[in-house]
Amino acid sequence: AQSVSQHNHHVILSEAASLELGCNYSYGGTVNLFWYVQYPGQHLQLLLKYFSGDPLVKGIKGFEAEFIKSKFSFNLRKPSVQWSDTAEYFCAVTWYSSASKIIFGSGTRLSIRP
Amino acid sequence: GAGVSQSPRYKVTKRGQDVALRCDPISGHVSLYWYRQALGQGPEFLTYFNYEAQQDKSGLPNDRFSAERPEGSISTLTIQRTEQRDSAMYRCASSPTSGGADTGELFFGEGSRLTVL
Repeated sequence: AQSVSQHNHHVILSEAASLELGCNYSYGGTVNLFWYVQYPGQHLQLLLKYFSGDPLVKGIKGFEAEFIKSKFSFNLRKPSVQWSDTAEYFCAVTWYSSASKIIFGSGTRLSIRP
Repeated sequence: GAGVSQSPRYKVTKRGQDVALRCDPISGHVSLYWYRQALGQGPEFLTYFNYEAQQDKSGLPNDRFSAERPEGSISTLTIQRTEQRDSAMYRCASSPTSGGADTGELFFGEGSRLTVL
């Protein structure tokens, strides 16, 4: 079955620290990849997406993610986090073979110490 | 507003009752998705529609769950004979694209929190 794995359930960092959140997905052919964020009290919103082309994609608020096809990974990074980045982050994948079914990972809760 | 609207926001019901959760997508959006999210978990796919056609219902847990989108706009997720294990946040999302290789951004609503006593 198609699956998405996020290895870190809860990450705690100090402001200005660098961030990397892991995301791996199961093999199933060509994929579209997404990161969504949910700030406290808000609904899920798109952070960035990868469809094709340059495997390093940039999103909003200084976030970026790198697609490494050989590792089935799409890790999220930010060089210097801010307190306002406190949120829950979800990786999501859709496989061309399963049409538009979008599968989410279990999420990583990010807490930033001011 | 212009976003995805879900109602009710909160629903408390007794075990065995039927519930209907409503989703009003962004006007003109082609695709509509339903997800269920338990506390501390990611959204779990239930079903999705392109226009009025239900394209995939493989995530519906059992035959007590059903969904419809009769006119290609508003959708209703119905849970019959609710059980305590059905308690969760039910999220609806819509997308302007019809899927496949063009599957794109999902716009989520606030969710409907269901509690079954």
